Amino acid sequence: GDSVTQMEGPVTLSEEAFLTINCTYTATGYPSLFWYVQYPGEGLQLLLKATKADDKGSNKGFEATYRKETTSFHLEKGSVQVSDSAVYFCALSARNAGKSTFGDGTTLTVKP
Amino acid sequence: EAGVTQFPSHSVIEKGQTVTLRCDPISGHDNLYWYRRVMGKEIKFLLHFVKESKQDESGMPNNRFLAERTGGTYSTLKVQPAELEDSGVYFCASSQGVQGFFETQYFGPGTRLLVL
Repeated sequence: GDSVTQMEGPVTLSEEAFLTINCTYTATGYPSLFWYVQYPGEGLQLLLKATKADDKGSNKGFEATYRKETTSFHLEKGSVQVSDSAVYFCALSARNAGKSTFGDGTTLTVKP
Repeated sequence: EAGVTQFPSHSVIEKGQTVTLRCDPISGHDNLYWYRRVMGKEIKFLLHFVKESKQDESGMPNNRFLAERTGGTYSTLKVQPAELEDSGVYFCASSQGVQGFFETQYFGPGTRLLVL
């Protein structure tokens, strides 16, 4: 079945450091790929998405590119802020399946 | 526009008791999903409603879990009797009824369930 593997956490960075959270997936066909973020005490929010190969999703300075050849969707940000501290989930949704398949989540802590 | 709401936000019960979680989706959203995150692991799919019908309940762990969506509006998820391994965060999500695999799901804040 479908699966998502995320880089293990937790990840601790200093403010303004470069962030990469790796995500690879296994799926049949051509899924859509997502990054969700959960800030402390809040629910999941969609951060960005990509629906086909080579698409780049971006939002709030975060970017991820749908790489079909490596089945990856790594999340990057050039300069993290303390306010980016949260849990980040990579997910996929297969065509017409409705449900999403998530990775384990990566906890990011950014220190001033 | 109100987002997805869930009630209660937290619940602490003893093993063997019954708990009912409620989810109110965004108004007009036909699709409603339940997910669960246990012990800091991945968020796992439980089931999917389209309006009042169960479209996919392949993720329901066992028959102690019963989900309903009468009238196609809010949904309840009942756990009876609760076991220790049911502890976790239960998320609800909703989306519109547009066909296509790139439909955005909107998540609620989750219900944190602790079974002692």
